[in-house]
Amino acid sequence: EAGVAQSPRYKIIEKRQSVAFWCNPISGHATLYWYQQILGQGPKLLIQFQNNGVVDDSQLPKDRFSAERLKGVDSTLKIQPAKLEDSAVYLCASSLGVRLGSLVYNEQFFGPGTRLTVL
Amino acid sequence: AQSVTQPDIHITVSEGASLELRCNYSYGATPYLFWYVQSPGQGLQLLLKYFSGDTLVQGIKGFEAEFKRSQSSFNLRKPSVHWSDAAEYFCAVGMDSSYKLIFGSGTRLLVRP
Repeated sequence: EAGVAQSPRYKIIEKRQSVAFWCNPISGHATLYWYQQILGQGPKLLIQFQNNGVVDDSQLPKDRFSAERLKGVDSTLKIQPAKLEDSAVYLCASSLGVRLGSLVYNEQFFGPGTRLTVL
Repeated sequence: AQSVTQPDIHITVSEGASLELRCNYSYGATPYLFWYVQSPGQGLQLLLKYFSGDTLVQGIKGFEAEFKRSQSSFNLRKPSVHWSDAAEYFCAVGMDSSYKLIFGSGTRLLVRP
């Protein structure tokens, strides 16, 4: 079974430029997540999709970040314009996100991430 | 507010020695708890998870974790560490209503030969 795919793996841009990241989740996974992982910290959820609808984007800096998941499959995260503090690894994850009996199946599978450096 | 604390930023152990990584959480309801491992340049891999039932959970690569509700802890253990275990380890709590994960800041494990 193929895992979560992300591209590019690395990106270097100057501040105020724009950048976009792409994610293709595991086939059949309804839920897709974008996380930001700053060096020395744990991942922080930016946005969560259920199919093509947004479930949670409370931590997304909406003045500069946007994300979409057209057709409920792959997703794009964009930053425009980038700031120095956006330097981080951007992780995409997916999960089935369904209930199995009385349990919520919540295992998230992560892609390798995109390392962004803003100069 | 929900939170996860991993009090140890770095831990160094000798190969073959036992390991315990600490994790404390703050969450009002019954937590769903996870341990992930991240090797350099890699995404996160799930080691084990606790949803309910037996409080001692077995995972991959010989890891186990014990859920202690009274201490709000979910510590990760391994009886004998291998050099390949050197990585960063993240504890996370999952929220029932939205499947959202909240991660701790991680513990970097170094293994001495």
